[in-house]
Amino acid sequence: GENVEQHPSTLSVQEGDSAVIKCTYSDSASNYFPWYKQELGKGPQLIIDIRSNVGEKKDQRIAVTLNKTAKHFSLHITETQPEDSAVYFCAASNGFQKLVFGTGTRLLVSP
Amino acid sequence: DAGVIQSPRHEVTEMGQEVTLRCKPISGHDYLFWYRQTMMRGLELLIYFNNNVPIDDSGMPEDRFSAKMPNASFSTLKIQPSEPRDSAVYFCASSPGQRYGYTFGSGTRLTVV
Repeated sequence: GENVEQHPSTLSVQEGDSAVIKCTYSDSASNYFPWYKQELGKGPQLIIDIRSNVGEKKDQRIAVTLNKTAKHFSLHITETQPEDSAVYFCAASNGFQKLVFGTGTRLLVSP
Repeated sequence: DAGVIQSPRHEVTEMGQEVTLRCKPISGHDYLFWYRQTMMRGLELLIYFNNNVPIDDSGMPEDRFSAKMPNASFSTLKIQPSEPRDSAVYFCASSPGQRYGYTFGSGTRLTVV
């Protein structure tokens, strides 16, 4: 079955810096890769996703890149703000099976 | 849409008692998932349903846990008898399909004392 690894487990940046979170997956048939943001006391919220027919997707300050050959995908947050502080989860699915989640990255943005 | 609705938000119960967690998925979503989140184990999928039918319950810890989905708009997760190690945040999520992301509820924080 699919296995998703996520790094780093914690990430501290200064406000205005960029943050990058990386995930690798094992199932070459995986074709859907969402990212979730979980704020304290709330459920995970979908913030961006990418499918295997594209290599990059952007939405304002966040972007996701996908390298199918290497089987890894990354979340990029530019111009970080304190409200970006949260736990971020990556996930992968082949479209026929359940999503498999990474173990999460705790991002702390210091003012 | 009000999103995925879970109740209660918080539940404190004594060991040995029965606990029932409730979930109302987003209308039109055919998939419903129950997750458990703890610091030690992260997000764990317990069970998921497709069109009200349980598809994969391999994550259910043991026979003390059971889940039902009697109709498309309601699901329950029951723990009987509850134990302190069941203390966690339980999330319900729904999705229109496996090719789409999940929408999570706000969770139920369960404390078993």
